[in-house]
Amino acid sequence: QKEVEQDPGPLSVPEGAIVSLNCTYSNSAFQYFMWYRQYSRKGPELLMYTYSSGNKEDGRFTAQVDKSSKYISLFIRDSQPSDSATYLCAMSANRGSTLGRLYFGRGTQLTVWP
Amino acid sequence: GAVVSQHPSRVICKSGTSVKIECRSLDFQATTMFWYRQFPKQSLMLMATSNEGSKATYEQGVEKDKFLINHASLTLSTLTVTSAHPEDSSFYICSATEGLASSPDTQYFGPGTRLTVL
Repeated sequence: QKEVEQDPGPLSVPEGAIVSLNCTYSNSAFQYFMWYRQYSRKGPELLMYTYSSGNKEDGRFTAQVDKSSKYISLFIRDSQPSDSATYLCAMSANRGSTLGRLYFGRGTQLTVWP
Repeated sequence: GAVVSQHPSRVICKSGTSVKIECRSLDFQATTMFWYRQFPKQSLMLMATSNEGSKATYEQGVEKDKFLINHASLTLSTLTVTSAHPEDSSFYICSATEGLASSPDTQYFGPGTRLTVL
């Protein structure tokens, strides 16, 4: 079983829709949860960062973490064509850089059509 | 925000040749750099972790003699793919972080290098 599971999609939605992306994980030691956005042939850019359980909101984006269920989500409200990208979840168990390696999901490919 | 660059952005080489990829932190000192490989429609797979001035730590299944990593300064790490073969064709991405106490959100990613081995 992979440490981080993510449905690769693809996911196609109309502009303005609410998008829900999610990941599950098996390692209960994970404490840091990230969502990255990756455009085609580019490096990932950090979108949201959450420590432990709870919600975090930033503009149209909301990240949720449910550690009891080992489940994290990213919601995108009022989706735009510019949101079309691959969204990767990532997790880390430790704070120190050498110990805090990131475990990535496969990424979900999202297309928002006008 | 902190910037990490990679060079080249794209390289095509013949089978059997060696290719060097550079990763630079432009506005901060990177104590630790990570090298990832990403195949099409797949996730980022960590290949190795390098700390400035010491030997890299390779993940299980990654050949250290094939993927040579040098982290000679606080702003530069290089990945050399030796005797490249078509199966090494992939997207190589580096990331860098400032210090041992850094939190995961301060790991900054480069734009990636696409390697194609003919």
